[in-house]
Amino acid sequence: NAGVTQTPKFQVLKTGQSMTLQCAQDMNHEYMSWYRQDPGMGLRLIHYSVGAGITDQGEVPNGYNVSRSTTEDFPLRLLSAAPSQTSVYFCASSPMRTPFSTDTQYFGPGTRLTVL
Amino acid sequence: DQQVKQNSPSLSVQEGRISILNCDYTNSMFDYFLWYKKYPAEGPTFLISISSIKDKNEDGRFTVFLNKSAKHLSLHIVPSQPGDSAVYFCAASDFYNNNDMRFGAGTRLTVKP
Repeated sequence: NAGVTQTPKFQVLKTGQSMTLQCAQDMNHEYMSWYRQDPGMGLRLIHYSVGAGITDQGEVPNGYNVSRSTTEDFPLRLLSAAPSQTSVYFCASSPMRTPFSTDTQYFGPGTRLTVL
Repeated sequence: DQQVKQNSPSLSVQEGRISILNCDYTNSMFDYFLWYKKYPAEGPTFLISISSIKDKNEDGRFTVFLNKSAKHLSLHIVPSQPGDSAVYFCAASDFYNNNDMRFGAGTRLTVKP
């Protein structure tokens, strides 16, 4: 049981390039999400998915696309990289929850992205 | 619009003493609160949580207190150990807003031997 895996661990891009950050989970979780972590800002939600074929925007979605064709995979696409997208990106998954309860999110190890 | 705030970027305590990490929130719709712990070069890992219908939850050395009227929660670690040195994130979740989870900026805890 690998949990949540992310690839690559490190990436350097030039402004304007595109790329896809990969995320996979083997826990059969319905809910998956992408966050970015910036100094002094905590983790901010980019996009999330409540199941295969269903995605929605989070707090900071601009410049990113997602799709969810399977339960296991939730890739994050940078369409045209900008220096402002330099950050550490975390993917997370959890089962769906009910009010006043939650199943905690399980995070991947992160991808450190630098855009020059 | 920072709905979850951790106003102390860092905290240093002596081994064996109590560590108290604080968190404030503004959204009264949050129904679940969590604390995550993060070591360098790793993803955050879940530590402890509390539902908005409770005011205290305890798990070993870790206790989370929730004061809904003040929109404040705190994490107590007793006794603190050097292995507890990490960044701690407070998070809050709103079930009725598509599980929207908001994180604080984090507090770096250093426990000195």
